[in-house]
Amino acid sequence: SQTIHQWPATLVQPVGSPLSLECTVEGTSNPNLYWYRQAAGRGLQLLFYSVGIGQISSEVPQNLSASRPQDRQFILSSKKLLLSDSGFYLCAWIDGGNTIYFGEGSWLTVV
Amino acid sequence: DAKTTQPPSMDCAEGRAANLPCNHSTISGNEYVYWYRQIHSQGPQYIIHGLKNNETNEMASLIITEDRKSSTLILPHATLRDTAVYYCIVRVAGRDDKIIFGKGTRLHILP
Repeated sequence: SQTIHQWPATLVQPVGSPLSLECTVEGTSNPNLYWYRQAAGRGLQLLFYSVGIGQISSEVPQNLSASRPQDRQFILSSKKLLLSDSGFYLCAWIDGGNTIYFGEGSWLTVV
Repeated sequence: DAKTTQPPSMDCAEGRAANLPCNHSTISGNEYVYWYRQIHSQGPQYIIHGLKNNETNEMASLIITEDRKSSTLILPHATLRDTAVYYCIVRVAGRDDKIIFGKGTRLHILP
């Protein structure tokens, strides 16, 4: 069966430090992959999406970047974190074009 | 921008039917209506989706108006565990595309 994993689940990082959140999907090939962020009390904001290896579309200008080095791997990164980067980060994928499945989420607190 | 509008919050008594509305007046003929819900600190959970016919599954029913410009998600017998933020989105199934969530409706189930 298809599953999606993302890690770490929680992260506390100082301002100016780097970030790497990883997401992997199992049981499928060539999925569409997405990174969302949810700030406290806010809705889901689409950050990046990818339709294939090396193909990244960015939705909002920001301090973050994304990469897709392998078909089922999606990485969210930052070279220098800001306080405003704090939030709940979610990775998601689509099963053959119909249903969106989300990972467990990663809580990032920048201090 | 999200293609849907929803009320920011709603209350429903436990055991009663919860009816959550969604407006999608610019929906295209090949766009489906999807509903998700997000319980605090978890990734969104798929509920149901439909094109133009009403749909029902073990979780909920989806009623789509004949002109497809609005829909209603019905939770037939709401429980306290149904307290969550409910998101309505529209998208073309099977298409490689970004998926934009609106702000959703925060549903409070009252004991």
